[in-house]
Amino acid sequence: AQSVAQPEDQVNVAEGNPLTVKCTYSVSGNPYLFWYVQYPNRGLQFLLKYITGDNLVKGSYGFEAEFNKSQTSFHLKKPSALVSDSALYFCAVRDRISGNNRLAFGKGNQVVVIP
Amino acid sequence: NAGVTQTPKFRILKIGQSMTLQCTQDMNHNYMYWYRQDPGMGLKLIYYSVGAGITDKGEVPNGYNVSRSTTEDFPLRLELAAPSQTSVYFCASSTNTGTDTQYFGPGTRLTVL
Repeated sequence: AQSVAQPEDQVNVAEGNPLTVKCTYSVSGNPYLFWYVQYPNRGLQFLLKYITGDNLVKGSYGFEAEFNKSQTSFHLKKPSALVSDSALYFCAVRDRISGNNRLAFGKGNQVVVIP
Repeated sequence: NAGVTQTPKFRILKIGQSMTLQCTQDMNHNYMYWYRQDPGMGLKLIYYSVGAGITDKGEVPNGYNVSRSTTEDFPLRLELAAPSQTSVYFCASSTNTGTDTQYFGPGTRLTVL
């Protein structure tokens, strides 16, 4: 079974400082990995994904994530956080062997960027 | 393109009532999904569909039913609503490729009293 762990409930960061949101995953085979962001009272929006190739993936709004197979991690990063980055962030994984596009989501991390 | 649309945005039900949450997508996606989101619990898959006429259970299907008569529509039916079904419900869609992004609707906030 595939699963995701997002160990921190909330991440607080000062505006302008680097932002990191942690994610570790578990799959039986090789993973497809995704990050989504949810703003208040909105649906989830896609940020970036890792399918294959370069371990460093760049996405929307200046976010990037690094796939680390040995540590089974896919941490989301942004070099300089903005107040507008305050939102709920979800990591998700799909096992490549699965044929039904089912994603397993983590519980989410609330990011608070302090002005 | 409107993407994925959901109605209603909000609903309050009494215990034992029934209702249908509507979901429509205009991207010609074969795959559609229903999730529920509870605080601190992430998203749980209720049902999904890989095409018109084909549906399957997800992690938490009890108390729900779905149908998929067209590519565009994927309604979720709640029979005999219970307080445990108080949640935010999201519909999503994707193409039938394994690497594709799922696109989410804005959600329906349901309260069962």
